[in-house]
Amino acid sequence: QVQLVESGGDVAKPGGSLRLSCTASASNLSDYYVAWIRQAPGKGLEWVSYISNSAISTYYSDSVEGRFTISRDKAKNSVYLQLNSLRAEDTGVYYCVRGALRFDSWGQGTLVTVSS
Amino acid sequence: HSALTQPASVSGSPGQSITISCTGTSNDVGGYKYVSWYQQHPGEAPKLMIFDVTFRASGVSDRFSGSKSGNTASLTISGLQTEDEAHYYCSSYTNINTWVFGGGTKLTVL
Repeated sequence: QVQLVESGGDVAKPGGSLRLSCTASASNLSDYYVAWIRQAPGKGLEWVSYISNSAISTYYSDSVEGRFTISRDKAKNSVYLQLNSLRAEDTGVYYCVRGALRFDSWGQGTLVTVSS
Repeated sequence: HSALTQPASVSGSPGQSITISCTGTSNDVGGYKYVSWYQQHPGEAPKLMIFDVTFRASGVSDRFSGSKSGNTASLTISGLQTEDEAHYYCSSYTNINTWVFGGGTKLTVL
């Protein structure tokens, strides 16, 4: 069973930036599509972005388009999410998730808090 | 794409069956077979339960089943057990290469 580990969550001010990382153990992450899905405190799941295994295709939700950037580094077996122009509503747990047409492996999440 | 519509809560007694609905549009649920369901216990990451409308993920009990009719997908849990108490989320692929989730349903096993 692949294990995904997120890192990079922190407290940031509105307008600030953070970079989230996702690495995989016991699996070659570069073979898979990877998504980021977030969950605001006490709220439901929200799909944020995904990247194809080749990194050629990337997609974003309307709420983060133009502010967030997903990327991957094959050599480091990692996927990243760059969060810019952060807003209070970006606060939540960010999950790194493996899958293209279904999300079958989830990390434990990393907490992003946007507050002044 | 607006969030898929799920009931906020459902409940049932041990041994009973319950069904959670998930309503979208022809641009998501109704247009694709890529509907999946996730179970989330408090403080834990979600877990894939059903994918491609009807297929159970590896290790998932056959008490869980999925179906779809038109723009509405459904998750049925039969023989309710106390450990089934959790939040359940549906999700669907969309016509603009994105994903959309339902608002979530809290299942209470009385």
